[in-house]
Amino acid sequence: GAGVSQSPRYKVAKRGQDVALRCDPISGHVSLFWYQQALGQGPEFLTYFQNEAQLDKSGLPSDRFFAERPEGSVSTLKIQRTQQEDSAVYLCASSTQGTDTQYFGPGTRLTVL
Amino acid sequence: DQQVKQNSPSLSVQEGRISILNCDYTNSMFDYFLWYKKYPAEGPTFLISISSIKDKNEDGRFTVFLNKSAKHLSLHIVPSQPGDSAVYFCAAKGDDYKLSFGAGTTVTVRA
Repeated sequence: GAGVSQSPRYKVAKRGQDVALRCDPISGHVSLFWYQQALGQGPEFLTYFQNEAQLDKSGLPSDRFFAERPEGSVSTLKIQRTQQEDSAVYLCASSTQGTDTQYFGPGTRLTVL
Repeated sequence: DQQVKQNSPSLSVQEGRISILNCDYTNSMFDYFLWYKKYPAEGPTFLISISSIKDKNEDGRFTVFLNKSAKHLSLHIVPSQPGDSAVYFCAAKGDDYKLSFGAGTTVTVRA
């Protein structure tokens, strides 16, 4: 079946712009995760949803970052007033339940100029 | 602080030989460990995992070994093939959902 998909794959933003990154999880997966991967580093946890409920947002680096999953399927990660340090690959993952194996999408590479 | 460490940023191995990737962790609450493989411009792909109640798990050419007392795990790939050239991430978690990743090891398999 279809895996996790993310769009756009690449995004270039000017500093100060708002961006929205989309994630379509595997159908039927209850749990959805966002990770941020800086160059040369492993992914770092940002936030976790179980269905439409955001159960953990402890990894979001600032209040400029906001995530939602209003209907328990598609999720959007929004970054307001982007800064250069926001440049990274943003990965979305989903799993059947929170503690099960997470399956990752291809990521969105965000470059802030 | 980095709770999962992959101290070798790169590894070069000849085709047909064994690749050994190492990973160390500091959090004694971690009880489940995973290896992911990543090609350029793609997301990490799950490869193999191991629970802390085991010390070895094998899947085809891939074997993961866990040494809990040393807080160390390793991934063995035998025999290495050109398609194995990728970045390999070690990840760990406790009884919740958060994965902690290492920085990755880039494996290059030489023909």
